[in-house]
Amino acid sequence: QVQLQESGPGLVKPSETLSLTCSVSGGSMSGYYWTWTRQSPGKGLEWIGHIYDTGSTNYNPSLKSRVTMSVDTSKNQISLKVTSVTAADTAVYYCARMDYYESGSHDYWGQGILVTVSS
Amino acid sequence: DIQMTQSPSSLSASVGDSVTITCRASQIVRDSLINWYQQKPGKAPKVLIYTASRLQSGVPSRFSGSGSGTDFALTISSLQREDFATYYCQQTYTTPYTFGQGTHLEIK
Repeated sequence: QVQLQESGPGLVKPSETLSLTCSVSGGSMSGYYWTWTRQSPGKGLEWIGHIYDTGSTNYNPSLKSRVTMSVDTSKNQISLKVTSVTAADTAVYYCARMDYYESGSHDYWGQGILVTVSS
Repeated sequence: DIQMTQSPSSLSASVGDSVTITCRASQIVRDSLINWYQQKPGKAPKVLIYTASRLQSGVPSRFSGSGSGTDFALTISSLQREDFATYYCQQTYTTPYTFGQGTHLEIK
């Protein structure tokens, strides 16, 4: 059973960089896209972007200038960095696996991590 | 970006009822790359339906999906207590992948 677990600081100061890690267990990272999605309190879901196991990335244009994703297949981890954060970046951040070639869906998700941007 | 518009935004129903949630895309979603997710409070979304009509493994058969082009629907027949949650559609035809705003299904 594939499992994902997000980790990182739950509080980030405005203008600083949000850094999160997603650890993957129970399956290979090869052949899948690994995604980050966020959900602001009481709001809907926003796709941030994804990274393939080769390191190829695709970011949401709404965040593109501030987002960097990376993958370390040797550690079974992906990471997310969002620079110059503001209160609008306060959200629950989820990592998920996208089965691009079979279902096109996000079939496994982490439990999510709440990140609050506040001084 | 493809805008996904769900209706209704909220819905009240009773155990045993059948309900349908619709999702309209602002442009054609080719290959029917529409997914439906269920989310309960404090939990991550869970995929129910992929490519518009295919049931994810382990999901009860009372969930079904339909549609093509720009109009899609999720139907839940014979609602069970555990089905009361928020439902989202998502298109994965083109990036940025986008979600509907959600439909909150509550017990009447």
